[in-house]
Amino acid sequence: GAGVSQTPSNKVTEKGKYVELRCDPISGHTALYWYRQSLGQGPEFLIYFQGTGAADDSGLPNDRFFAVRPEGSVSTLKIQRTERGDSAVYLCASSLGAASGRSTDTQYFGPGTRLTVL
Amino acid sequence: GNSVTQMEGPVTLSEEAFLTINCTYTATGYPSLFWYVQYPGEGLQLLLKATKADDKGSNKGFEATYRKETTSFHLEKGSVQVSDSAVYFCALSDRGGGSNYKLTFGKGTLLTVNP
Repeated sequence: GAGVSQTPSNKVTEKGKYVELRCDPISGHTALYWYRQSLGQGPEFLIYFQGTGAADDSGLPNDRFFAVRPEGSVSTLKIQRTERGDSAVYLCASSLGAASGRSTDTQYFGPGTRLTVL
Repeated sequence: GNSVTQMEGPVTLSEEAFLTINCTYTATGYPSLFWYVQYPGEGLQLLLKATKADDKGSNKGFEATYRKETTSFHLEKGSVQVSDSAVYFCALSDRGGGSNYKLTFGKGTLLTVNP
């Protein structure tokens, strides 16, 4: 089956513009995570969805960042008034989620969207 | 809060050399531990994991043992290959009783294996 896909693979925008980044999780995965990876760093957690609701958005850096998952599948990360410091690779991961009933829940990552803010 | 500290890179080895990448963690609960790998031009892939103390995760000749007493999860391989050249990330997830398995990553260690 298909893995996690993300579009676009690259996005170049100008400071102050609005961008949307899309994530298509693995079919049947109810949990979805967004991470941000700056150059030379490990990924940092942004937001977690279980189904349609954002169960944990504690990693969003400020109110310019917002994410939705209206039907419990595809998710969109939205960034308003982009700043140069937002330049990074944005990663999406999905997993079986709460229904897995396991002590841990393996996340599968997409290839990422490289965002460059000029 | 949770944190992961892993060995600074880059690490450069010759083929067939022994590899160790150190990883230690701090967690508020009882975490699961992971090693992820990022090959050049590719996305993050799970390499191995361990969910409780003394568990050993293994895959593709790599191993790591969950050591609760030293809060460590060091990655080892007895004989590296050129194809192992990649960035390796140590990570933990600490569910804290809920269903949120968000990962906390280390900064990554770049491994280069020369023929």
